[in-house]
Order: sequence, then structure tokens, then C-alpha cells
Amino acid sequence: NAGVTQTPKFQVLKTGQSMTLQCAQDMNHNSMYWYRQDPGMGLRLIYYSASEGTTDKGEVPNGYNVSRLNKREFSLRLESAAPSQTSVYFCASTPGPGNYNEQFFGPGTRLTVL
Amino acid sequence: GNSVTQMEGPVTLSEEAFLTINCTYTATGYPSLFWYVQYPGEGLQLLLKATKADDKGSNKGFEATYRKETTSFHLEKGSVQVSDSAVYFCALGAGGNTPLVFGKGTRLSVIA
Repeated sequence: NAGVTQTPKFQVLKTGQSMTLQCAQDMNHNSMYWYRQDPGMGLRLIYYSASEGTTDKGEVPNGYNVSRLNKREFSLRLESAAPSQTSVYFCASTPGPGNYNEQFFGPGTRLTVL
Repeated sequence: GNSVTQMEGPVTLSEEAFLTINCTYTATGYPSLFWYVQYPGEGLQLLLKATKADDKGSNKGFEATYRKETTSFHLEKGSVQVSDSAVYFCALGAGGNTPLVFGKGTRLSVIA
């Protein structure tokens, strides 16, 4: 089991460029999440998918789009990157809705927008 | 709404010192509570959890007790090691389709 994998690990973009961050899990989990982590801000939820075929906005969705491609994969797209989107992005998954469920995190993608 | 407040860091301790990181929460109903740890350059991983009042979660020498009367879930360790240097996040799970709510994290540095 690889758990939650993310690609790429590092990325540098210029303002206005677009890119897609990929996330996949092999644990047959139903729910998946995208967070960003900035110094002093902790983790902030961007979007989540409670189950295949559904997506919902989190705390900071502006400037991002997501696709739950299938049960395994949940991608995050930046259509026109801005310096304010420089951050570390984490994908996570959990077996399903429920407050007992541990979230499993990927290793992160470190994105710099110049 | 649901929220988690944890003590601001950074916290710097000498090896073998006692550690407490405070965490309090606001929630309706009966949430589950978690502590996650993030080592440098890595993602978060679950350290311990408690699913009901008076439960004690424990792992790797760390403990936290779910106190409903004080709405707290403080993290403790009796003797920290350099390898415990990391960022610690308190989190709350309110059930249903709602994602976990995380505190802002507390950076711990342990010096030899």
C-alpha cells in the first residue's frame, strides 16, 4: 500500500500559468480533501469530496477547481496561478464520513508562484 | 461553528523535559478529537485520538484525555526527545460529511 501519493513534489510557476496537482489513494477511501498550509495559518481546507461524484467548497476555494476523477483520484487545478497561491498543498483521504475517521495525508506539493 | 484553539508556539524544551500543548475546542454534539504530528518535510500523521468524553488516547509516550467539562484535549509527554521536534496539530471531527477542523499547529523544538 502506497497510501496517499501526490505529484509533483515541487513546482515553480510564473504568474498566470496553470497546472494540476494530482492525488491518488489506494486504500479504497470514500472521502478526499485538499488543504493548503501557510506559515502561521495552519491547514486550510480548499475543497473536499465526501464521496465519488461529489465535491464541496472548503474555507479557501477561490482560484481553484477540483475533479474527483474516480474513487482513487482527486485533482486540484490552478487555472491562473497567483503569488498568493505559493504554499504547500496536502491531499488527504478518509474511509468515509464520520467523526471517528482518521485522515491519511500525502507528502505534499511545494508550489512557488513567481 | 466548530473550532479548535491550541497554544501558539514555538515551544522550545530541553531533552527529558515535560511537555504540555494545550488544546480547547468549541463544538455542538459529541465530536471526536485528534492530535496529528508533522515532521519536517512530511505530511501530517495521526498521533492519537479519543472518540468520547473521558477517553485517553496514547501513542509513543504521548497522552491526551478528552475532557468534556473543560472542552479540552491537552497533549502531554513526560520526557521529550530530540526526535519529537515537529509541528503538532489538534483536530476535531464533528461527524457526518463534515471534514476535520484543525488548530493552527504548535511547533516544538527539543534541544539536546
